[in-house]
Amino acid sequence: DTAVSQTPKYLVTQMGNDKSIKCEQNLGHDTMYWYKQDSKKFLKIMFSYNNKELIINETVPNRFSPKSPDKAHLNLHINSLELGDSAVYFCASSQDLVETNEQFFGPGTRLTVL
Amino acid sequence: AQSVTQLGSHVSVSEGALVLLRCNYSSSVPPYLFWYVQYPNQGLQLLLKYTSAATLVKGINGFEAEFKKSETSFHLTKPSAHMSDAAEYFCAVSDRAAGNKLTFGGGTRVLVKP
Repeated sequence: DTAVSQTPKYLVTQMGNDKSIKCEQNLGHDTMYWYKQDSKKFLKIMFSYNNKELIINETVPNRFSPKSPDKAHLNLHINSLELGDSAVYFCASSQDLVETNEQFFGPGTRLTVL
Repeated sequence: AQSVTQLGSHVSVSEGALVLLRCNYSSSVPPYLFWYVQYPNQGLQLLLKYTSAATLVKGINGFEAEFKKSETSFHLTKPSAHMSDAAEYFCAVSDRAAGNKLTFGGGTRVLVKP
């Protein structure tokens, strides 16, 4: 069984479009995250939620809006896509906010904006 | 703010040779440190973590890392490289003051030559 799953795996779209990426975890974790990995493989946190409450909101354009309908899901909606949004987006989860806890990562969603 | 620096974006080793990946951190509080591995087109998988217990940490796949406070380092080693070790490796520090977000180093790509 997949622990952290993301859909879609690949997403190709035109500039200006709106798109969503879905994430689900079946680990029973309380905390979920979104990370962005750019073309140079650099990874940076975007958001985190704990029990559906927003905990981390890094300096991300407000075109990006996370939504957590329940503890097992954290979706990422992106409005008015730009070329610079092209990247791999990873969802992750951890048991809770304890800093020693491992984060489990999904397989990633490769977004290409044309 | 915490930060992580990985020296060497690419490392090439022969099969059977020692693998050494360098990681230095900057933190105003005792850090919690992680090494993750990313195989091509996959998500990140935890190799090992330091959580202020033993300074020599053993992980999966024969990897280990040693925490050295005096050198602010957490280098990753494996005595004998295997072809399957070819991947991208990331060192990360957990920020306890910021919702357990992981701050990653730039990554080191390991190439294993037969």
